[in-house]
Amino acid sequence: AQSVTQLDSQVPVFEEAPVELRCNYSSSVSVYLFWYVQYPNQGLQLLLKYLSGSTLVKGINGFEAEFNKSQTSFHLRKPSVHISDTAEYFCAVSDPWNFNKFYFGSGTKLNVKP
Amino acid sequence: EPEVTQTPSHQVTQMGQEVILRCVPISNHLYFYWYRQILGQKVEFLVSFYNNEISEKSEIFDDQFSVERPDGSNFTLKIRSTKLEDSAMYFCASNSAGNRGNTEAFFGQGTRLTVV
Repeated sequence: AQSVTQLDSQVPVFEEAPVELRCNYSSSVSVYLFWYVQYPNQGLQLLLKYLSGSTLVKGINGFEAEFNKSQTSFHLRKPSVHISDTAEYFCAVSDPWNFNKFYFGSGTKLNVKP
Repeated sequence: EPEVTQTPSHQVTQMGQEVILRCVPISNHLYFYWYRQILGQKVEFLVSFYNNEISEKSEIFDDQFSVERPDGSNFTLKIRSTKLEDSAMYFCASNSAGNRGNTEAFFGQGTRLTVV
């Protein structure tokens, strides 16, 4: 069975500082990994995804994530955050037999302060 | 840019009442999904729907729940007799293909259901 753990429920950070949002997963088979972002009063928007190939994945808005199979992690990073990055971020792993059936983490609220 | 839209954004209902949550998926999409998030908990898969039938459902999706695509554009989730524990944010999603790697799922902004 697949599962995702996001250890940090909230991450406060100052503008222009780097940030890392942690995600660990468990799965008995090869996985596909995703990060989604939810801005206030909006739906979930795909930031980036890892399907195969290079373990460093670049997404929208300057975010990137690195797939680490040995540590079963898929941490999200941004070298310099903006106020507009304030949102909730969800890590997810897809079901190998139903691609768009996701197992989500509990989410991390990123609060960027001026 | 095409988007998935959900209505209403917030619905309050009394316990035992029926509710219908509505979603308009992206027009050329073929695969549809409902997820829910109880406050403070994870986003959970409820059901996937393709070719006018349920392709998969979770344990949460019991006989109180049903889905329908009544008119080729809307995709609805019905809860027949709501319970307090049905209070949650419900997300609809759609995809143009169900196979791996080819597309992404687009999510709506969610409907917050409050059962009192």
